[in-house]
Amino acid sequence: EAQLVESGGGLVQPGGSLRLSCVASGFSFSSYWMTWIRQAPGKGLEWVASMRQDGGERYYVDSVKGRFTISRDNAKDALYLQMNSLRAEDTAVYYCVRGRSGMDVWGQGTTVTVSS
Amino acid sequence: DVVLTQSPLSLPVTLGQPASISCRSSRSLVHSDGSTYLNWFQQRPGQSPRRLLYYGSKRDSGVPDRFSGSGSGTEFTLRISGVEAEDVGVYYCMQGTHWPLTFGGGTTVEIK
Repeated sequence: EAQLVESGGGLVQPGGSLRLSCVASGFSFSSYWMTWIRQAPGKGLEWVASMRQDGGERYYVDSVKGRFTISRDNAKDALYLQMNSLRAEDTAVYYCVRGRSGMDVWGQGTTVTVSS
Repeated sequence: DVVLTQSPLSLPVTLGQPASISCRSSRSLVHSDGSTYLNWFQQRPGQSPRRLLYYGSKRDSGVPDRFSGSGSGTEFTLRISGVEAEDVGVYYCMQGTHWPLTFGGGTTVEIK
C-alpha cells in the first residue's frame, strides 16, 4: 500500500526557517511527480509546489516563490520542502501528495505554526 | 489563474437522499493531451483529503458507487445518490490541467 509520512513541522518565529520531509513507501517514488499542499486553520486546500520525477521541473504558487524550495532524493524515497522567511500566513497543515494532475495519495500532514 | 467556483457552500442533506455539488471553471480544463484533469476530493472531519474521482468521472478504488461525476470543459458535477452518515465532510474539486494548480473553495455536506 502506498504511504506518505511527513515530518518537520513545528512552531517557528516570523522570518524563521523550517524543512519539511516526506518519506514514501509502497510504490516506486522515482516514477511520480510529487506535490506539497497546505491547509490553513479552518480554510480550504492550497497547492504549494510540485516537482517532476527527475527534478527537472519545479513549480510554485506565487506566494511562496523565492522563499520555499521543493526538492527530492529518489535514492531515499524522500521529498522535502525548505521554507525560509516564514510569515504568519504560512501557518497551515502541510500535506505531501503523490502526483500532480491526479494527487491520489496523501500523507497525514505536518503542522507549521508561524508565530512570535 | 484558473478559478474553480463550487456551489453550494453548504449542503444539508437528509440521510438516504441525493446530493449534488457543482464545480465551475473559469477556463476549459481540457489539456493539450486531450485529457481533462478534474478531481474530486473528500475530507472528513480531522482527516486528510481523499481522492474520490479523477478525469471528472472515474471513481478511485474503494470509493462507493453512490459517488459519481460528470461534466466537461468548464462545468462539472459530483453526485451522491443516497447520502450516508459517513459522507459528512468537505468536498473539493481540483484542476490539474493548468499551472498553478487550483482547488475550489469546498462544499460542506452535513446531515439534516
